[in-house]
Amino acid sequence: SAVISQKPSRDICQRGTSLTIQCQVDSQVTMMFWYRQQPGQSLTLIATANQGSEATYESGFVIDKFPISRPNLTFSTLTVSNMSPEDSSIYLCSINRGTMETQYFGPGTRLLVL
Amino acid sequence: ELKVEQNPLFLSMQEGKNYTIYCNYSTTSDRLYWYRQDPGKSLESLFVLLSNGAVKQEGRLMASLDTKARLSTLHITAAVHDLSATYFCAVGNTPLVFGKGTRLSVIA
Repeated sequence: SAVISQKPSRDICQRGTSLTIQCQVDSQVTMMFWYRQQPGQSLTLIATANQGSEATYESGFVIDKFPISRPNLTFSTLTVSNMSPEDSSIYLCSINRGTMETQYFGPGTRLLVL
Repeated sequence: ELKVEQNPLFLSMQEGKNYTIYCNYSTTSDRLYWYRQDPGKSLESLFVLLSNGAVKQEGRLMASLDTKARLSTLHITAAVHDLSATYFCAVGNTPLVFGKGTRLSVIA
């Protein structure tokens, strides 16, 4: 298994502001993934964060809205910029680990934008 | 583009009954995952299926994979209330593509 922590665990923010979410992993990993889960919905990949290079964004997600940092092999941040109520979601970071490349998820950050 | 469909999306079961959740996917993939999510919680990995005919069991849950049919099933045997949760299948490597989830409610 993997130990993944996220901060903050939840937040309530005003529209137009930005929030940075941190993800810390217990050992070095090449790739870290950021997912969004909108209320009552499934998970959608936002981007893949590789250490030492720019993140790779999925269709529908852009760097200006969701800037990502990956300063080392155990840490990443996701910023949700210029927030609107539509950004209210759970944001989860994730890694692959093990011989079976199981994908493990952090506890998530629950964001409510008013 | 890989698409993953789960059904049913909602399932209300009586305790002690058996039922199956289905996961169909649209293109060839070398791995399939099942996850459980409790309300307000993150995702817990249940099974990783890597080959055609793979079958894995943990307690009252059994997952199988038919890569030729592009179908995985999650079978629930003699359901108990503690199994109430949302179950997701996910397919692919990087990135994973998730189904919409099956919200299971086990009632007495």
